[in-house]
Amino acid sequence: EVQLVESGGGLVKPGGSLRLSCAASGFTFSSYSMNWVRQAPGKGLEWVSSISSSSSYIYYADSVKGRFTISRDNAKNSLYLQMNSLRAEDTAVYYCARPRLAVDNNWFDPWGQGTLVTVSS
Amino acid sequence: YDLTQPPSLSVSPGQTATITCSGAKLGDKYVCWYQQKPGQSPVLVIFEDNKRPSGIPERISGSNSGNTATLTISGTQAMDEADYYCQAWDSTTAVFGGGTKLTVL
Repeated sequence: EVQLVESGGGLVKPGGSLRLSCAASGFTFSSYSMNWVRQAPGKGLEWVSSISSSSSYIYYADSVKGRFTISRDNAKNSLYLQMNSLRAEDTAVYYCARPRLAVDNNWFDPWGQGTLVTVSS
Repeated sequence: YDLTQPPSLSVSPGQTATITCSGAKLGDKYVCWYQQKPGQSPVLVIFEDNKRPSGIPERISGSNSGNTATLTISGTQAMDEADYYCQAWDSTTAVFGGGTKLTVL
């Protein structure tokens, strides 16, 4: 069974940093691109970042570019999101999402259960 | 690139629910749809405009043409009550619609 388990969320002050992790199991992690998607409380979904299987290609939403860094460790079947210079508007549930197929990164299926990040003083 | 969805839609059980997603030349792109129930993670219900992942009932279907993609739920049931999001790619950026809250009453 494919599983994605996020961790690392919590309460952080504005300007602070946090590192999220996503532990993957049940599939060949090193063959898939991976993504982070977030959802502010009561709001819609917002794509945050993508990373290709070998980390050769990395993309960010404009809203996080220069502050967030996506990375992965294929040996540990893990995806990461380093979040710096956090702002109140970064408050959200952060989901780790795998594409449906290894050959592309088009459709997110499945998603993890999410981890809540709260940025507040 | 923006995708626009109606914020809400209400249907009676057994009726057909039609949720739209609008964007410039959206028909030139592939679109997918996610279902999200309260307190749960999103679930892919339609990909590549009109394909269903295994386990998704046939009464859920999709189409995409011109500037509008459409998610259709036939014979709507109480279990279909959820938020629905469309998604497409604009170059290397994934774009989501604002979501439509489907109420079955």
